[in-house]
Amino acid sequence: DAKTTQPNSMESNEEEPVHLPCNHSTISGTDYIHWYRQLPSQGPEYVIHGLTSNVNNRMASLAIAEDRKSSTLILHRATLRDAAVYYCIPYYIIQGAQKLVFGQGTRLTINP
Amino acid sequence: GAGVSQSPSNKVTEKGKDVELRCDPISGHTALYWYRQSLGQGLEFLIYFQGNSAPDKSGLPSDRFSAERTGGSVSTLTIQRTQQEDSAVYLCASSLHLNTGELFFGEGSRLTVL
Repeated sequence: DAKTTQPNSMESNEEEPVHLPCNHSTISGTDYIHWYRQLPSQGPEYVIHGLTSNVNNRMASLAIAEDRKSSTLILHRATLRDAAVYYCIPYYIIQGAQKLVFGQGTRLTINP
Repeated sequence: GAGVSQSPSNKVTEKGKDVELRCDPISGHTALYWYRQSLGQGLEFLIYFQGNSAPDKSGLPSDRFSAERTGGSVSTLTIQRTQQEDSAVYLCASSLHLNTGELFFGEGSRLTVL
């Protein structure tokens, strides 16, 4: 399994950009990098995923290092609603089935 | 509804009782997953279904846990002879196909074993 390392917690201010780092140095060439987040008392929600190129969607941007050993989730203008635990997950297929293995994630606090 | 629906949302039971947790996935989603999350912990993968089949049951914590899916839709996770360490939030997710990485999660079923 590819291992990930994320900061336990981060703090930012409302309306400022947030950069959430993730190291995944053992990722294989075919593993996609997925990001999910979990708001308090809710199930996780998909944020974004990518393989090699940087990706953008309405929620966030994902910057993937050229060697793919790290990635950064970028929230361009944080809101209070973005306070959540953010999980960086290498997504791989084993024996024909995909597994999303959640680590401890980064708890993001947004200050008003 | 449009999302993954789980019931009950909360269940309090006594040690030794059996419980059933239900998951209703998004219509048309062929893959279904069960996770559990203990207090303050990350998500622990339990089992997945492709259609009605669960090829890998090794993630289930013990033989007291079982899961089934019928009609390619609703799934039930059953815990027999519950123990206090089974207390957790049990989360269900579905995806359109097995090998897509976008899972849609339900709100979870919070199980408390006294």
